[in-house]
Amino acid sequence: KAGVTQTPRYLIKTRGQQVTLSCSPISGHRSVSWYQQTPGQGLQFLFEYFSETQRNKGNFPGRFSGRQFSNSRSEMNVSTLELGDSALYLCASTGTAPNYGYTFGSGTRLTVV
Amino acid sequence: EDKVVQSPLSLVVHEGDTVTLNCSYEVTNFRSLLWYKQEKKAPTFLFMLTSSGIEKKSGRLSSILDKKELSSILNITATQTGDSAIYLCALIQGAQKLVFGQGTRLTINP
Repeated sequence: KAGVTQTPRYLIKTRGQQVTLSCSPISGHRSVSWYQQTPGQGLQFLFEYFSETQRNKGNFPGRFSGRQFSNSRSEMNVSTLELGDSALYLCASTGTAPNYGYTFGSGTRLTVV
Repeated sequence: EDKVVQSPLSLVVHEGDTVTLNCSYEVTNFRSLLWYKQEKKAPTFLFMLTSSGIEKKSGRLSSILDKKELSSILNITATQTGDSAIYLCALIQGAQKLVFGQGTRLTINP
């Protein structure tokens, strides 16, 4: 069974630009959640999607948005990039009850210069 | 606000030592507690703990949840250099969200 696939692996962007990251979950998983990891703040929850609906959102500004497609693939978008958005962005794929295992992708390393 | 605190934040030991990593929480409602190992990028799953007092084991690693003390520990015996990593503790809130601790950076010296 293929794991969680995130693309691209690395990105370098300039302040003010926007970026789109992609996450393909494990086949059959319908829930995808996104996390931002920085040295100072650790892993923080961004949002979660299930069947194309956002069910929960973390405390991030509106510049961070996401969506999920009918095949469960998800994208997150960050507009008007700031230096502080430099981070490792991880997505996790989750199965349905009773197997709520969260499996993470390898992440996208975003550097904003 | 819900909070997960791990200690120590950093730990350096010699190969063969036994280590105990701690995870304390101030979370009003959660379903399970998870432990992950993160070496480079993707956190890899170690344990899911739902019931208090039941130890889970996998090789040299073991973990237990104490809901009375609002904490969990992760033990690693006979440590090896390959155990060097960041160990993350997280709580599942509802079915939708993980709340993470800051992680413990474990370094095993040969």
